[in-house]
Amino acid sequence: QKEVEQNSGPLSVPEGAIASLNCTYSDRGSQSFFWYRQYSGKSPELIMFIYSNGDKEDGRFTAQLNKASQYVSLLIRDSQPSDSATYLCAGQSGTASKLTFGTGTRLQVTL
Amino acid sequence: GAVVSQHPSRVICKSGTSVKIECRSLDFQATTMFWYRQFPKQSLMLMATSNEGSKATYEQGVEKDKFLINHASLTLSTLTVTSAHPEDSSFYICSARATDGPQHFGDGTRLSIL
Repeated sequence: QKEVEQNSGPLSVPEGAIASLNCTYSDRGSQSFFWYRQYSGKSPELIMFIYSNGDKEDGRFTAQLNKASQYVSLLIRDSQPSDSATYLCAGQSGTASKLTFGTGTRLQVTL
Repeated sequence: GAVVSQHPSRVICKSGTSVKIECRSLDFQATTMFWYRQFPKQSLMLMATSNEGSKATYEQGVEKDKFLINHASLTLSTLTVTSAHPEDSSFYICSARATDGPQHFGDGTRLSIL
């Protein structure tokens, strides 16, 4: 069974700190990975996606992919209370368009 | 860019009613649309995948006669929950993607069946 695993949290970080969200996947055929943010009662919002090994930066967000270790992470610099949400990691196999979602990590940014 | 509109945002209706939910990609052509369901404090559950002009592909355990999906154009897909019952109450979310693009989600429809 193809799985994407995340620690459910909550992950609590103080305002201004770096939040590190991690995700592992079992399907070696997965080629693309996506991070979505979901506020309580709302639908997911795309944060970033990454295809290649290494780091990809967009503003305060950095996605990291290590295909050898089957590991994806999302770093949020200068965390703000508005970043408090559930972060969903998703993998996509090159042969299918649907995503396999993790259960999400709840992030709490404290004042 | 990449805006997906979903309507209605909330529906409250009596048991036995059929409910139609629309999903539109406003600024791109969605070759594939997806329908998800999410129960409180649980993760997204994919219900079906639809490609424009083709029959939807349903996930295991999802009744295709219960959840009717139509993807008639590159910008519109509909989900009809037929003869809805209280156990169908959930948060239904659509997403859309252009060819080789990421999925973008609509705002979701909260369905409550009394």
